[in-house]
Amino acid sequence: GDSVTQMEGPVTLSEEAFLTINCTYTATGYPSLFWYVQYPGEGLQLLLKATKADDKGSNKGFEATYRKETTSFHLEKGSVQVSDSAVYFCARAEEYQLIWGAGTKLIIKP
Amino acid sequence: EAQVTQNPRYLITVTGKKLTVTCSQNMNHEYMSWYRQDPGLGLRQIYYSMNVEVTDKGDVPEGYKVSRKEKRNFPLILESPSPNQTSLYFCASQSLAGGNNEQFFGPGTRLTVL
Repeated sequence: GDSVTQMEGPVTLSEEAFLTINCTYTATGYPSLFWYVQYPGEGLQLLLKATKADDKGSNKGFEATYRKETTSFHLEKGSVQVSDSAVYFCARAEEYQLIWGAGTKLIIKP
Repeated sequence: EAQVTQNPRYLITVTGKKLTVTCSQNMNHEYMSWYRQDPGLGLRQIYYSMNVEVTDKGDVPEGYKVSRKEKRNFPLILESPSPNQTSLYFCASQSLAGGNNEQFFGPGTRLTVL
């Protein structure tokens, strides 16, 4: 069925490294796409989103581009910080619902 | 401040003892939802509600009940908790206007059933 697939974690990087977390989806049509972040001990919060093909969402130095050709929405950041350590969830819209990926834990070491 | 609140944040209970986790939002959102988060399984939806007195099952509704008597509140009820319901629970709300799909989450409730 329709789904969202994220790369498995944990992903461990050193501070200032380049980050990519892969996300691909299956769907009919072109749904809105989202990245949510969950910091330790907190609920999820929206990080960025894109509502149509070729849109780029960005926030806090993170970016993701809606690629309809590859049905992907990979999350990138040029230089990560220790404070970026969190769990990142990719999601796509389905009518009024969100279909979630399994989450990718990111660990940044100083 | 716009927010979703959940109570309690932490709860340890025993098998079979009924419990309720409350959820409240102050954004006048029509849509509310309960999820559980388990390692390796991501977020799984338990129940959701499109508006007052309208509730529907999500992917994992067994062992749970919900009610939506008021727009702001969406309590999660475990009539007879079992150890496999030990999990981290999140409530979320969303406006259905404009096709936004952005969900706002509560801080989570960590439940342990012994």
